[in-house]
Amino acid sequence: AQSVTQLDSQVPVFEEAPVELRCNYSSSVSVYLFWYVQYPNQGLQLLLKYLSGSTLVESINGFEAEFNKSQTSFHLRKPSVHISDTAEYFCAVMAYNTDKLIFGTGTRLQVFP
Amino acid sequence: DTGVSQNPRHKITKRGQNVTFRCDPISEHNRLYWYRQTLGQGPEFLTYFQNEAQLEKSRLLSDRFSAERPKGSFSTLEIQRTEQGDSAMYLCASSSQRTDTQYFGPGTRLTVL
Repeated sequence: AQSVTQLDSQVPVFEEAPVELRCNYSSSVSVYLFWYVQYPNQGLQLLLKYLSGSTLVESINGFEAEFNKSQTSFHLRKPSVHISDTAEYFCAVMAYNTDKLIFGTGTRLQVFP
Repeated sequence: DTGVSQNPRHKITKRGQNVTFRCDPISEHNRLYWYRQTLGQGPEFLTYFQNEAQLEKSRLLSDRFSAERPKGSFSTLEIQRTEQGDSAMYLCASSSQRTDTQYFGPGTRLTVL
């Protein structure tokens, strides 16, 4: 079975500051890794994913995440956040032998001016 | 591409009543997923279809829950004899391949009084 832990339920940060949202997972088999974002009053959207290859993956809006197999982590980072990044961020895993996503409990990022 | 649509968006029902939700996936997607999200939690997998075949069901899906995908197009999720614990957001997603992005619909919010 797989599980995902997002230790920070809320992360307040000022605009233009860097941010890291932490994600750790547990699995007895290899997994694919995902970050989804949910903006206020909108549905879940994929932000980025790691399937194979380079352990550093980037999104089109400046976020990046690095897969660390030894630490079973997939932390999300952005060097300078905008007000528009205010949203709920969900880390998720998918085991190689299944189709289902297992989500963490989410981290609410709130960016202040 | 009009995205994944779900109907109704909101449903309020009395305990013991039956409810049915509909999901229309992106037209070329052969995989369709149902998830449930309660307040403060990430989405939890319920079941998924590849074309018309239901390939996996979570233990969360009690015998009061049934999902269908006739002809491999839209899907319905029915809950019989609703209970207050069924109150949640029910999310539908679709994808074309297992590791491809799962595109989520806006969800159906169920409130059981």
